[in-house]
Amino acid sequence: ETGVTQTPRHLVMGMTNKKSLKCEQHLGHNAMYWYKQSAKKPLELMFVYSLEERVENNSVPSRFSPECPNSSHLFLHLHTLQPEDSALYLCASSQDTSGGVETQYFGPGTRLLVL
Amino acid sequence: EDQVTQSPEALRLQEGESSSLNCSYTVSGLRGLFWYRQDPGKGPEFLFTLYSAGEEKEKERLKATLTKKESFLHITAPKPEDSATYLCAVLQDGSEKLVFGKGTKLTVNP
Repeated sequence: ETGVTQTPRHLVMGMTNKKSLKCEQHLGHNAMYWYKQSAKKPLELMFVYSLEERVENNSVPSRFSPECPNSSHLFLHLHTLQPEDSALYLCASSQDTSGGVETQYFGPGTRLLVL
Repeated sequence: EDQVTQSPEALRLQEGESSSLNCSYTVSGLRGLFWYRQDPGKGPEFLFTLYSAGEEKEKERLKATLTKKESFLHITAPKPEDSATYLCAVLQDGSEKLVFGKGTKLTVNP
């Protein structure tokens, strides 16, 4: 069991719904990440937060909106999604050492299905 | 162009049949290469980090090695519980972004 938890584990939503994914890390890290994992594709980085500031937005559509209220919590707000957004959404955390090589630890993911 | 390529895409082994998975990369200025294991419906589980060519790390039946162009994950006498998808990722100079390969799905039959 990792120190990164995600809720919900499964989510089905219609294209007009609004929902949020939650991630919490218990590792004392100061950087958090959202990834998208689709079948037959590599993990795609979506957002990076370091010290609660967004440092990377990897050309993600505006229908995905991240929020990082503190170093332990990360949210991904979803609205007006498309069926192609169905995927496994993974949260990860690491200890940002400013130029070092930090290992990212992943949560179990939220399996999202958009109908 | 893919920066991280893993091969084979899928591998079936009999229990006890040793083999290797490959991860080749084209990034310049490698800061670190990571191996993860991912079970179905779960998040990736960290296995190893390698930093420089010639480095090796071991954990139980797994041994990871690194050259200037590729990494190998050697599996010695695998067991069915080693069945999983193995992911490789690289971190390059000047970037905080981990670049992942598509993974190798390993199945070990009893």
